[in-house]
Amino acid sequence: DVKVTQSSRYLVKRTGEKVFLECVQDMDHENMFWYRQDPGLGLRLIYFSYDVKMKEKGDIPEGYSVSREKKERFSLILESASTNQTSMYLCASSDYEQYFGPGTRLTVT
Amino acid sequence: ELKVEQNPLFLSMQEGKNYTIYCNYSTTSDRLYWYRQDPGKSLESLFVLLSNGAVKQEGRLMASLDTKARLSTLHITAAVHDLSATYFCAVDRDGGGSNYKLTFGKGTLLTVNP
Repeated sequence: DVKVTQSSRYLVKRTGEKVFLECVQDMDHENMFWYRQDPGLGLRLIYFSYDVKMKEKGDIPEGYSVSREKKERFSLILESASTNQTSMYLCASSDYEQYFGPGTRLTVT
Repeated sequence: ELKVEQNPLFLSMQEGKNYTIYCNYSTTSDRLYWYRQDPGKSLESLFVLLSNGAVKQEGRLMASLDTKARLSTLHITAAVHDLSATYFCAVDRDGGGSNYKLTFGKGTLLTVNP
């Protein structure tokens, strides 16, 4: 079974803090993704990585950056957290099918 | 830009009844996925449809893909309460490349009432 894990299920941060969300997959997938999910908006792609150190902006990259130093790990970074980044963040990895992690519910106060 | 539309967005149905969720998309693609999400949980893969005419069935759910009409359906047969969840369709935005980037519909919230 593919396993995608995320570092935290729930996170509360203050406005202006730098926030790191970690995602690890154990299936040697090349492709990894970060999404945010908000009510009524569905899932929106923030960033995508197709190989180590390779990344591509998704649909809503503003305010975010990513890092992929090892194949199994893909990190999402909120450089200076803002209240409008309060959301559920989902990581996925894929061969031809995307497998999702459990999600991190981030609250920025 | 690929657009994916699901309808209905909200579906309340009685146990034992049949219904269909529709997923329309705007540009050519041969790959379509259906996911289920329970409240507070992540997405679980239901079906992967990789060619025109593909049909997959699992229990009371059956999914099909018509790439010419750019339409997928998720048919629910004799609904039971356990099927209550949000269902998402997602379409490969590259239409067959190797990146497997998806565009998701907004989801259909299904409630099955006794």
